[in-house]
Amino acid sequence: AQTVTQSQPEMSVQEAETVTLSCTYDTSENNYYLFWYKQPPSRQMILVIRQEAYKQQNATENRFSVNFQKAAKSFSLKISDSQLGDTAMYFCAFMKPIRGGSEKLVFGKGTKLTVNP
Amino acid sequence: KAGVTQTPRYLIKTRGQQVTLSCSPISGHRSVSWYQQTPGQGLQFLFEYFSETQRNKGNFPGRFSGRQFSNSRSEMNVSTLELGDSALYLCASSARPLEQYFGPGTRLTVT
Repeated sequence: AQTVTQSQPEMSVQEAETVTLSCTYDTSENNYYLFWYKQPPSRQMILVIRQEAYKQQNATENRFSVNFQKAAKSFSLKISDSQLGDTAMYFCAFMKPIRGGSEKLVFGKGTKLTVNP
Repeated sequence: KAGVTQTPRYLIKTRGQQVTLSCSPISGHRSVSWYQQTPGQGLQFLFEYFSETQRNKGNFPGRFSGRQFSNSRSEMNVSTLELGDSALYLCASSARPLEQYFGPGTRLTVT
């Protein structure tokens, strides 16, 4: 079974600075997908960024980028120019393609990020 | 386009009772997944439905069940509630693989 580990339960960063959240995973699969989700205090989970394992290029979405190291099974999220609205729980998630198209996300325990003014 | 809606948002039940939660996906989305979120266990997959068929199921007891209707709306049911069932239940819908949109969740408290 796949597992996802986020080793940083809590982190804080000053507004406008850069922060990196760590995520490692364990799988024997070669083809899979990785995600970072954000859950603000309002609790609506939002997709931040996605990475396909077969792509070597790291995904980027505006201020959010990932460092995907497939051999090391590492998938960190970098947030540049942190904003107060980035304060949230961040979840790393894994998905293995399943025949029939079924989608099942395996989540890490999350990292609580606080952006300080 | 309206987002994923879940009703009710908050619910208090007593041990032994049963509960039904509802999820209305984004229009056009045929896949609906359910997750349980607790402080201790984190986010755990319950099941996924597509076109009224359960495609995948997590490791939960048979007290947890679900269904999906022809309009893609989904319900999940928990029978014989236990204190440990207290959680935030999240529903997610998708039209394409790898793009799940989550609802605000239903906060269930079992006393």
